[in-house]
Amino acid sequence: DAGITQSPRHKVTETGTPVTLRCHQTENHRYMYWYRQDPGHGLRLIHYSYGVKDTDKGEVSDGYSVSRSKTEDFLLTLESATSSQTSVYFCAISEGTGFYQPQHFGDGTRLSIL
Amino acid sequence: KQEVTQIPAALSVPEGENLVLNCSFTDSAIYNLQWFRQDPGKGLTSLLLIQSSQREQTSGRLNASLDKSSGRSTLYIAASQPGDSATYLCAVFYGGSQGNLIFGKGTKLSVKP
Repeated sequence: DAGITQSPRHKVTETGTPVTLRCHQTENHRYMYWYRQDPGHGLRLIHYSYGVKDTDKGEVSDGYSVSRSKTEDFLLTLESATSSQTSVYFCAISEGTGFYQPQHFGDGTRLSIL
Repeated sequence: KQEVTQIPAALSVPEGENLVLNCSFTDSAIYNLQWFRQDPGKGLTSLLLIQSSQREQTSGRLNASLDKSSGRSTLYIAASQPGDSATYLCAVFYGGSQGNLIFGKGTKLSVKP
């Protein structure tokens, strides 16, 4: 168990509303990631963090922002949700202090935007 | 573009059969390759990680091999059981600043009792 908790687990909201997803880890790992999983696309990286207040963009970052004010929490924000952002969102962490370690995933947040 | 392909997309086998899942990648300059299992509505469970310098890794009934030169990895499952039914994902790490995994779309395995 990698000690990753995602909240909420499910959310339904309307187009144009702001949405924040939370990833919480208990293992004090440096690297954290947000992915989205869509049919036909597999998992794709949205943003990642390599330390407190250190974040960068991934492959599909448009429309998303992130923040990491504490080691244990990585927040993903949709400033103005669109229907194309309906997806399952996964948080992941890397063991140890480097990239080159296994990644472990949370149970996901299923987000529906109507 | 770096791509990861998994064939077949779905596989159905009778219980007890040994089986092989395939993963291919377009760029052989990988750092490591990771196999995951995903149950419906659940997150990903890491099964095996193979570093680029390794040829294979084993965990219980699972054995993953890596051939960088041909851009291929296989996941061998021995004596399959209905509990092995899940989607199996292959993901490749190429290093670089992002540190993200490039995922295949998975093979959905069904093991029939």
